[in-house]
Amino acid sequence: QQQVKQSPQSLIVQKGGISIINCAYENTAFDYFPWYQQFPGKGPALLIAIRPDVSEKKEGRFTISFNKSAKQFSLHIMDSQPGDSATYFCAASTRLSRGGRLYFGRGTQLTVWP
Amino acid sequence: DAGVIQSPRHEVTEMGQEVTLRCKPISGHDYLFWYRQTMMRGLELLIYFNNNVPIDDSGMPEDRFSAKMPNASFSTLKIQPSEPRDSAVYFCASSPRDRVNEQYFGPGTRLTVT
Repeated sequence: QQQVKQSPQSLIVQKGGISIINCAYENTAFDYFPWYQQFPGKGPALLIAIRPDVSEKKEGRFTISFNKSAKQFSLHIMDSQPGDSATYFCAASTRLSRGGRLYFGRGTQLTVWP
Repeated sequence: DAGVIQSPRHEVTEMGQEVTLRCKPISGHDYLFWYRQTMMRGLELLIYFNNNVPIDDSGMPEDRFSAKMPNASFSTLKIQPSEPRDSAVYFCASSPRDRVNEQYFGPGTRLTVT
């Protein structure tokens, strides 16, 4: 049973465009929502994260939008660059779960064309 | 500061052989996680430790898999006997006590069982 559902599976965007990846969850106990970025041959790396007390968090060109009532959150990459081409994973966790276990989405493969 | 270190980076073995994957977490991190990544199933949590003690091993596929953490700076994941369906990339990750949700991944071990 997938705790976090992610879409789309793959995404192709032109350089300079906006990339949007969406995630949805059911467990209302989740209170931490990170995004990980993974390049080929590398491990996932924490990109940006949000807690449900805010609706948006921005770091450079990367923004997380969070909709608590809809139980959805999304990653927006502004001015997408070829170097952003990677697989992106959303995840969710709760302080109440043992050890801060992360539940990952299935990933979105982003390709940014120059 | 060195990140999570995994060895070997690549392992090719024949079905039935024993495989041992190794991980050195980031110094000072109290939590250690083992994941498996495949195209079919995405990122799966196999087991995780807190202060060298296994907390949740419900993701371990079957008895052929075992994991140990003899001290704070070393963990192993062993598969005995290995099967072709075990072919995957295995990641180790660690996180600090005060930010348990922030997991730092190693580069992974690509395992191929023929």
